[in-house]
This record gives sequence, C-alpha cells and structure tokens, in this order.
Amino acid sequence: AQSVTQLDSHVSVSEGTPVLLRCNYSSSYSPSLFWYVQHPNKGLQLLLKYTSAATLVKGINGFEAEFKKSETSFHLTKPSAHMSDAAEYFCVVSDRSDSWGKLQFGAGTQVVVTP
Amino acid sequence: GAGVSQTPSNKVTEKGKYVELRCDPISGHTALYWYRQSLGQGPEFLIYFQGTGAADDSGLPNDRFFAVRPEGSVSTLKIQRTERGDSAVYLCASRTEPYNSPLHFGNGTRLTVT
Repeated sequence: AQSVTQLDSHVSVSEGTPVLLRCNYSSSYSPSLFWYVQHPNKGLQLLLKYTSAATLVKGINGFEAEFKKSETSFHLTKPSAHMSDAAEYFCVVSDRSDSWGKLQFGAGTQVVVTP
Repeated sequence: GAGVSQTPSNKVTEKGKYVELRCDPISGHTALYWYRQSLGQGPEFLIYFQGTGAADDSGLPNDRFFAVRPEGSVSTLKIQRTERGDSAVYLCASRTEPYNSPLHFGNGTRLTVT
C-alpha cells in the first residue's frame, strides 16, 4: 500500500520569496504523484502530476516539483510567492497496488503569504 | 465542458436521519471516487467505482455507509442513521483511463449532523 507524508502542516512566506512544500512518499511500485491546491471554500484543483516521464514537472501558476526516487520525495516549489498562492496544498500518491489506483492524500500544508 | 457536479452543496440533518448525496461525473469518465474531508484534514478515501461496480470500498467506515452507481454514470452516497461524527465535506471525483490520470473533483457536499 502507498502512503504520503507532508512534512509541514503550515508554511508562512513573504510575497515575492520562494515557496517550498515538502512531501515524502512510500510505494512498492513506481508511483504516480500529484499536487493539488484547495483555496478557501473552493474545490480541489490539480497543480501538476508526475507519471514516470521527466522527473522535473512543471505545473500551473509557476509551480514545479521534482521527483527524487532515491529520497522518495516530491517537493513542490515556486520561485516567487504571490498573495493568491495562499491556500492548502495536498500531495497525493497512487500506484498499481490497487487495480485502478486508490489515491492517498497527505494531511495537507497550509500556506500563508504575507505582504 | 461541464465538470463534476455534486448536489446538494450543503445538507443539514438531524442525528439518526438518512441522507443521500449525489455526484454527476464528467461525461465519459469510467472511474468515480468518493472522499470525505473533515476540518483541517486531507481527503480520506471512501470508495471508488469502475463502471457500475465498486472496485474498492475499503474506506467506508461502517455499514451505515453505502454507495451505488447503477448505470455507470451518476453515483449516490447513502448514509443511514447519521451521527454527529459524520459531519464533513463529502467530495466526489472522476477520472478516465489510464490509472495514472488525475482526479477531477467536484466542489463537495458539506454535511452537518445536528
């Protein structure tokens, strides 16, 4: 079975500074990994996904993530935070251990952006 | 095109009552998922369907919870004898093949049991 750990429950950054959200996963198979964002009172939106192609994945809104198999990590970064990035972020893992992939969510990281 | 639609958006019910939550997935998506999200937590897997059949229902917390998808499209999550601990946002998502395609989520149904 797969699992995912988000290492920070809260991250606070100043506008214009880099953002780093950390995610480690556990999987017996080659995993698929996703990052989702949830703004207050809004639905979950896909930021980016890794599915065994390029290890550096670019997503929407300037976010990117790097898959590192040796470290079992999939950290999310953005060079310069914007006020609109304030939201909750979820790292998600899926693998072939379930016939169609039961996606496992992390507990989430709340991002606060200060002016 | 239209996204995943969930109705109602909010539901308030009394303890012990029966509720049904509806999900209308994206047209053509064969897989449909139900998750539950409590305040301050990540979404918790409940069940997923591949076509009309439940491929994995291991996340349903007990036998008060049941879900159906009779024609392989719309799904209904049913909760009997609701308890206050059932209060949460219930999320529906759908996706197409292959197994590593992303989930598309609806906006959820906020269930409050009083």
